[in-house]
Amino acid sequence: DVVLTQTPPTLSATIGQSVSISCRSSQSLLHSNGNTYLHWLLQRPGQSPQLLIYLVSRLESGVPNRFSGSGSGTDFTLKISGVEAEDLGVYYCVQGTHAPWTFGGGTKLELK
Amino acid sequence: EVQLVESGGGLVQPGRSLKLSCAASGFTFSNYYMAWVRQAPKKGLEWVATISTSGSRTYYPDSVKGRFTISRDNAKSSLYLQMNSLKSEDTATYYCARGHWDYWGQGVMVTVSS
Repeated sequence: DVVLTQTPPTLSATIGQSVSISCRSSQSLLHSNGNTYLHWLLQRPGQSPQLLIYLVSRLESGVPNRFSGSGSGTDFTLKISGVEAEDLGVYYCVQGTHAPWTFGGGTKLELK
Repeated sequence: EVQLVESGGGLVQPGRSLKLSCAASGFTFSNYYMAWVRQAPKKGLEWVATISTSGSRTYYPDSVKGRFTISRDNAKSSLYLQMNSLKSEDTATYYCARGHWDYWGQGVMVTVSS
């Protein structure tokens, strides 16, 4: 199974600070069809997960453009350019290239 | 507005069965793969099952394969998860999600305990 390793597990930030979260895969996530099925989710406290970024770098509708995704192959990054209070929660990467689909362990973003 | 509403959770004894349902609305249900994802208390997300648009293909991780069955009724815009031979480690909040991970239900709690 594909293992997604997220770092850091916890991230402390001040409002306005820019932060990055890494997601490393044990295998390339490039599908034979040319797509890379690596997505980013945010789960705010007490809420269901919500999709932020899909296919590595595509911003989901309604998501602020301070969120951006990048990467290829096995290394991926989610960047928040200017953290706001509503961004606090746990971020997960998830891959859909190889069955079984797998999630990263999560990165908790908290206020410093 | 897209909505996914789970139901059917509760307290069940080890070894027993439970069936979860997810009622979908606000989109053409039959056009989308659908999935179940669970989250044990204070833990991360774990994919549980996925089903194709017609229901002809289903996918499971080893942790539930042979015990859980995902199904759908496109005429009723409903998704199901039949869970058999439940174990304490199946205790979690179960989420219904659209296959692109773009919409999630509010989750339903399943507790497996004697």
